[in-house]
Amino acid sequence: DAGITQSPRHKVTETGTPVTLRCHQTENHRYMYWYRQDPGHGLRLIHYSYGVKDTDKGEVSDGYSVSRSKTEDFLLTLESATSSQTSVYFCAISEPGQGFGEAFFGQGTRLTVV
Amino acid sequence: QQQVKQSPQSLIVQKGGISIINCAYENTAFDYFPWYQQFPGKGPALLIAIRPDVSEKKEGRFTISFNKSAKQFSLHIMDSQPGDSATYFCAALENQGGKLIFGQGTELSVKP
Repeated sequence: DAGITQSPRHKVTETGTPVTLRCHQTENHRYMYWYRQDPGHGLRLIHYSYGVKDTDKGEVSDGYSVSRSKTEDFLLTLESATSSQTSVYFCAISEPGQGFGEAFFGQGTRLTVV
Repeated sequence: QQQVKQSPQSLIVQKGGISIINCAYENTAFDYFPWYQQFPGKGPALLIAIRPDVSEKKEGRFTISFNKSAKQFSLHIMDSQPGDSATYFCAALENQGGKLIFGQGTELSVKP
C-alpha cells in the first residue's frame, strides 16, 4: 500500500467549529488531492496541490481551505463546519509520468457535523 | 456542474454476465481516463486506464472502450463474478495541471 495516512479517521464536531484534516505521505509524490464522497455524488474534488505552496480549487471548494507547506503534508480546513460538510473525506496522491494518472488513496476520514 | 458524467448509478448482473458502465466528459484538456474500483470501507484503487489515442484497452476480464469524437468511454466487465461487486468510478485527468475528476460512481452487484 502507498504510504498515505489520514488523520483523524473519525471525527464528530459541532456546527460552527473549525476542523482540520491531515494527509501525510511518505512517497514524495508531487500531486495531492482532497475529495469528499457522498451517496449519489461520487467523489468530488475539493482542492488539489501540484507542489509545495501550489494549490488550486476543485469542483466543491466553497467553505474549505488547504495548505501545503511541506511535500509530505496536505491539510484541509473547514473554517466553520456546517451540517452539509458531513461526509467521508479522502486524500489521494499521484506522481506525474508514473502510470496512467494513477492516484493512491488514503483510508478516508468520516466527519460528522452535528 | 459535473465534468464527468457516469451511468448507471447502480447495476445488477448475474454471475457470468457482462457489466457495462458508461461515462462522458466535456473538457478536452483531459488526457488520461482511469477507472477505479472501491470496496466498502476502503479508498478507491486503480483498475485500468486508457489514453485518448487508443480506442480500446483490455486487461483480463476488464476492457475500456474509448470514443474520442463523442467524448465517451465505457468499462466492460466480462464474465462478471460476485467478487467484482463494488463501486466503480470513471475519472479523467488533466495531465498538464494534475486535476483528477471523478464520475458519480456505479454500484455493481453481481448475483451468484
